[in-house]
Amino acid sequence: AQSVTQLDSQVPVFEEAPVELRCNYSSSVSVYLFWYVQYPNQGLQLLLKYLSGSTLVKGINGFEAEFNKSQTSFHLRKPSVHISDTAEYFCAVSGGTASKLTFGTGTRLQVTL
Amino acid sequence: KAGVTQTPRYLIKTRGQQVTLSCSPISGHRSVSWYQQTPGQGLQFLFEYFSETQRNKGNFPGRFSGRQFSNSRSEMNVSTLELGDSALYLCASSLLASGGAAETQYFGPGTRLLVL
Repeated sequence: AQSVTQLDSQVPVFEEAPVELRCNYSSSVSVYLFWYVQYPNQGLQLLLKYLSGSTLVKGINGFEAEFNKSQTSFHLRKPSVHISDTAEYFCAVSGGTASKLTFGTGTRLQVTL
Repeated sequence: KAGVTQTPRYLIKTRGQQVTLSCSPISGHRSVSWYQQTPGQGLQFLFEYFSETQRNKGNFPGRFSGRQFSNSRSEMNVSTLELGDSALYLCASSLLASGGAAETQYFGPGTRLLVL
């Protein structure tokens, strides 16, 4: 079984400042990790994913994440946020043979001027 | 290529009724998964269908059911609706070419169900 913990329910940040959204996972099998973003009244959009290989993963909209196996973390970062990045961000894990995703509780990123 | 589409987008029902939601996956995608999103429980996996067969199932009561057609389109049904079934129901599709957990799931906009 897998689980995901997103430690911060809300992260306020000023525009053009850097941001890090934290995600820790637990799994008894090899995992695949994903970050999704949800804008108001919309579905989930894939930002990036880690399947294997390089632990630094680059995604869309300038986001990147680093897989750290020893710390069981997959934190999401962006060096300079924009107002349009205001949204809910979900970390998710899948593992074993099942294609089902287990999600964290989400982090609301609020970008202000 | 068109994305995942879900119909209807909004639905209002009363307790005790049943509801059917529809999902059309991305062309060529063979797997369809359903998730329920609520403020209290977050995003929870309902079930996954592949080749018209349920491959995985989450921890939901039997009132929640689904099916998949030969063209990969999927429907989910909730019978005897309860107030707690009010949620955003999200459908996701994937190619399922490599076998499962590594597959990227692409989500539709969701159907927002309100049970009164």
